[in-house]
This record gives sequence, C-alpha cells and structure tokens, in this order.
Amino acid sequence: GQQVMQIPQYQHVQEGEDFTTYCNSSTTLSNIQWYKQRPGGHPVFLIQLVKSGEVKKQNRLPFQFGEAKKNSSLHITATQTTDVGTYFCAGGRNSARQLTFGSGTQLTVLP
Amino acid sequence: DAGITQSPRHKVTETGTPVTLRCHQTENHRYMYWYRQDPGHGLRLIHYSYGVKDTDKGEVSDGYSVSRSKTEDFLLTLESATSSQTSVYFCATAAGEWGEKLFFGSGTQLSVL
Repeated sequence: GQQVMQIPQYQHVQEGEDFTTYCNSSTTLSNIQWYKQRPGGHPVFLIQLVKSGEVKKQNRLPFQFGEAKKNSSLHITATQTTDVGTYFCAGGRNSARQLTFGSGTQLTVLP
Repeated sequence: DAGITQSPRHKVTETGTPVTLRCHQTENHRYMYWYRQDPGHGLRLIHYSYGVKDTDKGEVSDGYSVSRSKTEDFLLTLESATSSQTSVYFCATAAGEWGEKLFFGSGTQLSVL
C-alpha cells in the first residue's frame, strides 16, 4: 500500500534558526495536505498542494510540492517560538479515506 | 475549528472490557473519520463514514467497530479492549470527500491496563 515517510522525526532549533521537514511518498500523489499539532492539542489543517512543483505559503510558512508529485517539504526561515509543534504531511489521492499520514516532525524552538 | 466534541477525553479501562468513544459534530459534515495516533506512526485511519448508516474500514480496523445513526454522531467501539489499543483517538470530519481538509476533535486518551 501507499507509504508516506517523513523526516526528521525530531528537530530542536534555537529561535531564529531555520527548520525543514521532508515528506516522501512511495507512489504519485494527487494532493498533499499539511497539518500542525501543538503539544497536547489536535491536528489543525494548514495547507493543501495539488499542482506539480507548486510552492504555496500559509501565513509565513512556505510549502512545496515536488515536480513528480511524490514529495513535499516545509521550510521555515527564522523560526519563532510559536512554530513549536508537530508537523504532519498527509498524501492522498483526493479522497480523505485514502489520505496516508506521515509520522510527523516534532519541532522544538528554544528561546 | 468545526464544532467537534469527543467524549470522554480520558479513559482508563481493563483488558477485555468493551469501550465506546463518542464523536459529536455540529457542522453537518457528511464525512466522519476515526483515527488513532501512536508515537512513530502518525495518524492511522480506523473506520470512516460517508453518511448515516454508511461506514467502511480503514487501515487498522481489526478489533474496532463503528456506528452512525445520526449525521452528528459517530461512535467507535472496542468490543474487547486490549493493551495494544492504548492510544490517542481522534475523530475528524470533512464537508466533502474529494480534496477536502479534515477538522479534528480534541482527542480521547485511552489506556487499557
């Protein structure tokens, strides 16, 4: 079945440093969604990408969908303490029941 | 966020006992989902519903059953709880099926001793 791998599992940065999380699928995706979960909270939808090579921002967070539609990334320049949380990608073939979540990247930002 | 309420928020139970988790939504969303979240596994789909009385299995459905008798309520039942079912359970809803974002409830922390 479809697998979505996400790395790294954990990332600790000083405030102001950059952060990147990568998401890779074993199959071509129709779309990819990103969610953020704050500590003790529930996942909250951030953004959806559907086009090959698409780069899209949600507030100050830039997301990219690969040309082959098999990978995606989030790259935060100059992290803030409000960026703390776990970022999940979810690759799908349009239907939510076919969404496969990555294992998440837990970001800690030290002040 | 959509009005999604999960109950209970925390539950401790013993192996072999039945457990029912409830998800209630006020958004009139047609699609509802139950996920479990475990360290290192992200979110895995247990069951989903695409309408009243219409449900189907997800990736990790063994040991779980669901029912949806009203649009707003989606119940998840563990017929005979096992320690491997200790997890955080999230309910989610979506207005449509295709390319729709998921709205999640606050989760239920279930411990099976």
